[in-house]
Amino acid sequence: NAGVTQTPKFRILKIGQSMTLQCTQDMNHNYMYWYRQDPGMGLKLIYYSVGAGITDKGEVPNGYNVSRSTTEDFPLRLELAAPSQTSVYFCASSDREYGGYTFGSGTRLTVV
Amino acid sequence: QQQVKQSPQSLIVQKGGIPIINCAYENTAFDYFPWYQQFPGKGPALLIAIRPDVSEKKEGRFTISFNKSAKQFSLHIMDSQPGDSATYFCAASYYGGSQGNLIFGKGTKLSVKP
Repeated sequence: NAGVTQTPKFRILKIGQSMTLQCTQDMNHNYMYWYRQDPGMGLKLIYYSVGAGITDKGEVPNGYNVSRSTTEDFPLRLELAAPSQTSVYFCASSDREYGGYTFGSGTRLTVV
Repeated sequence: QQQVKQSPQSLIVQKGGIPIINCAYENTAFDYFPWYQQFPGKGPALLIAIRPDVSEKKEGRFTISFNKSAKQFSLHIMDSQPGDSATYFCAASYYGGSQGNLIFGKGTKLSVKP
């Protein structure tokens, strides 16, 4: 009963590098989300998906990309990393249109 | 209109005290108001949630009070314990808006002193 699994837990990137944050859930949830959390700023929605093959932008999508080829997986791609992308990233899933999100344990990313 | 304003930013209480965290919203279409609890190094976890057809909901030591006319809701923690020390987030969403995505407050860091 793993829930939402995120990898890696920590990563240091150099400016201009790219990477993919992995997220997988084993609850057969249709809805999946990527948030970033910065100190004192709460959680900001980056991208979300309502099912395989369907994704849409959230509040802060610039510099990121997503794909949803299966129900289980929702990877977040960072292209040309910038210091402003230093943050903690959380993936979440839900089995209904609103409420009751299950979050992963997060990926702490530092861009230097 | 999409904002959820949360206060205070931080809160320190003694064991057994009753910390109260407040949230306010503007969008009257919001119809689901959850609270999440986050421990250091962990993801947020759903604590308790309320819909606007009730004014109060209790689950164990946690109570949500909801004031629809004032567009405010609050979390009370009865008989608080050091293990309740965490960051608490309120949130809101509504059916039909951006697929009902949650809008989060900025969080309240609670410390319960022994």
